[in-house]
Amino acid sequence: QVQLMESGGGLVQPGGSLRLSCAASGFTFSAYGMHWVRQAPGKGLEWVAVIWYDASNKYYADNVKGRFTISRDDSKNTLYLQMNSLTPEDTAVYSCARDHKGGYCTGDSCYIDFWGQGTLVTVSS
Amino acid sequence: QSALTQPASVSASPGQSITISCTGSTNDVGYYDYVSWYQHHPGKAPKLMIFDVTKRPSGVSNRFSGSKSGNTASLTISGLQADDEADYYCTSYTSEYGYVFGTGTTVTVL
Repeated sequence: QVQLMESGGGLVQPGGSLRLSCAASGFTFSAYGMHWVRQAPGKGLEWVAVIWYDASNKYYADNVKGRFTISRDDSKNTLYLQMNSLTPEDTAVYSCARDHKGGYCTGDSCYIDFWGQGTLVTVSS
Repeated sequence: QSALTQPASVSASPGQSITISCTGSTNDVGYYDYVSWYQHHPGKAPKLMIFDVTKRPSGVSNRFSGSKSGNTASLTISGLQADDEADYYCTSYTSEYGYVFGTGTTVTVL
């Protein structure tokens, strides 16, 4: 079955950097687009970024654009999120999630189907 | 991108029906038929309940149904059960090649 396991979270100071990883199994990783989504403490879900199945396109939420970079290594079935210039507002549980297809809408269908449980990132001095 | 608007909480007794609304704009809910709903028990991975406004993944109970009118989508849970108690989030594809989530609704079974 589809499994997504995030790692790399922790405590980081404001202005610092962190790289998250998401190990995928149970499906053909290279055929699917992948997303990062986060949830701040006591808040709702927030979409962060998407990378297409072939890494040809990457899109970001406005509040992380220029600071976060999504990437993938299909040889390792792993998704990454490089986070730079972190602020306390970036404190959240970060989850990776699988797109229903390649990361783009396919005519009559567009959704995220499976999620990991997430890894906590705390930005604090 | 502003979050989609959902009621903070909805409650009902077992066996009753509830409807959760999700209001967006002409840039998301109103333009695309790409609204999904997720059930989220804190500490666990969210579960897809409805996609493309009205479609149910295999294995999801037919007590869950979705609809849309204008800029507002809705999730209806009929025959409410104790294990339906959870947070529910809507999401919509947007014109900026990403997704926007709703503010979330806590469903309480009385």
